[in-house]
Amino acid sequence: GAGVSQSPSNKVTEKGKDVELRCDPISGHTALYWYRQSLGQGLEFLIYFQGNSAPDKSGLPSDRFSAERTGGSVSTLTIQRTQQEDSAVYLCASSATVLAGPGELFFGEGSRLTVL
Amino acid sequence: GQNIDQPTEMTATEGAIVQINCTYQTSGFNGLFWYQQHAGEAPTFLSYNVLDGLEEKGRFSSFLSRSKGYSYLLLKELQMKDSASYLCAVSGTYKYIFGTGTRLKVLA
Repeated sequence: GAGVSQSPSNKVTEKGKDVELRCDPISGHTALYWYRQSLGQGLEFLIYFQGNSAPDKSGLPSDRFSAERTGGSVSTLTIQRTQQEDSAVYLCASSATVLAGPGELFFGEGSRLTVL
Repeated sequence: GQNIDQPTEMTATEGAIVQINCTYQTSGFNGLFWYQQHAGEAPTFLSYNVLDGLEEKGRFSSFLSRSKGYSYLLLKELQMKDSASYLCAVSGTYKYIFGTGTRLKVLA
């Protein structure tokens, strides 16, 4: 697609349920990032993919969080047994490559997660 | 550790000039980015500095001093649509670390 696409745009769930958030990056972009943004806060790094591998998972808040990327394209962020503190906007971004140096990040519109 | 500091909020008048500062301490440095984020929207790229000095792009300019760990974003001829959050981000080898952002309010 023309830009980074994320779904769902809004998700309301009950505490304890699992959720899956999807990101479809710009075609050809090898680098993919997940960030979390709580209300009025900056962007908190979660995980980075280069191709299908995730060299850096250091930002995942707990083992309830996991992410995968298949075919060097679509990525899914899964949150198990959701807690109220997981409520935030989850932003996905992609970049052409980081191997030759940093490039501009292109962000999706985000998935707003509300855990009741 | 890694730390990026920006003022939380700034207010300016339409037509004026405003400077948003960013100081950083990071373990690696491959460039500094500024992003604009309107409320409820995704961040969009504004500027990139990797060498010391000023980069000018229309009404927006960005400055970098690597030795001082300092950058600023300069917005000229402010317009109401410039009301947004401005995020400073430092790129390491691959990771982009973002500051908490500066909320700019432009008043008529």
